[in-house]
Amino acid sequence: DVKVTQSSRYLVKRTGEKVFLECVQDMDHENMFWYRQDPGLGLRLIYFSYDVKMKEKGDIPEGYSVSREKKERFSLILESASTNQTSMYLCASSLGIPSGNTIYFGEGSWLTVV
Amino acid sequence: AQKVTQAQTEISVVEKEDVTLDCVYETRDTTYYLFWYKQPPSGELVFLIRRNSFDEQNEISGRYSWNFQKSTSSFNFTITASQVVDSAVYFCALSRRRDDKIIFGKGTRLHILP
Repeated sequence: DVKVTQSSRYLVKRTGEKVFLECVQDMDHENMFWYRQDPGLGLRLIYFSYDVKMKEKGDIPEGYSVSREKKERFSLILESASTNQTSMYLCASSLGIPSGNTIYFGEGSWLTVV
Repeated sequence: AQKVTQAQTEISVVEKEDVTLDCVYETRDTTYYLFWYKQPPSGELVFLIRRNSFDEQNEISGRYSWNFQKSTSSFNFTITASQVVDSAVYFCALSRRRDDKIIFGKGTRLHILP
C-alpha cells in the first residue's frame, strides 16, 4: 500500500517562529508535493519536487520554502510563521516521469499560528 | 490556463437517494488526466478514480459511477443508493501530462442524512 506520512497532525506555533512540516513516503516516488487547504479555496499547490534537491514553485509559494535532501523526504518550511498561514497542509507523492500519475496524500497537518 | 469548477458547494440528500456531483474543467492541453478524490472528516484525501483524456468510457465501481464527456468538458460523479459513510468532501482534479501538476476544484461537501 502507498504510504505518505506527515510527522505532525496538529501544531500550534507563535507568530514569527520557524516551522518545519515533515513528510515521508515509502513508495520510492520521484515526485512530491505540498498543498495547502483552506475553506472555500480548495487545495492550492505551494511547492513540488521532481527529484532530490530539485524544487519548483507552485501557485502560492510566498512565505514558504522546501527542502528535499533525500528521495523519500520532503519538508515544508515556514521561515517566520504568520497568522494567515494557519491552515491544513497536505503532502503528496507520485511515481516517476510525469504522465498523469495518480498522486497519493498524507493525512494532513493542521497548523495554527497564534 | 487550467481550471476545475465544482459549482455545488454543499449537497444534502437522504440516505439511499442517488446523488450526482458535477465537475467542469478547462484546459488547452490535448492530453490530460482527470481525478476524483474523497476527503472524509479524518482529513486524508482518498483517491477514487483517474481517467485520461482519450478514454471517454464511463466507469462503474460498485455504487460509484463516473460520466466523462469531452464535448461538454465534464467529469461527473454519481453515487447510487447513498450511505451515511459517503458523507465527505469530494474533489475533482485535473493534471497535464507534461508535469503532473494537479489542479483541484474547490470541492463539494456531501451530507448523507440518515
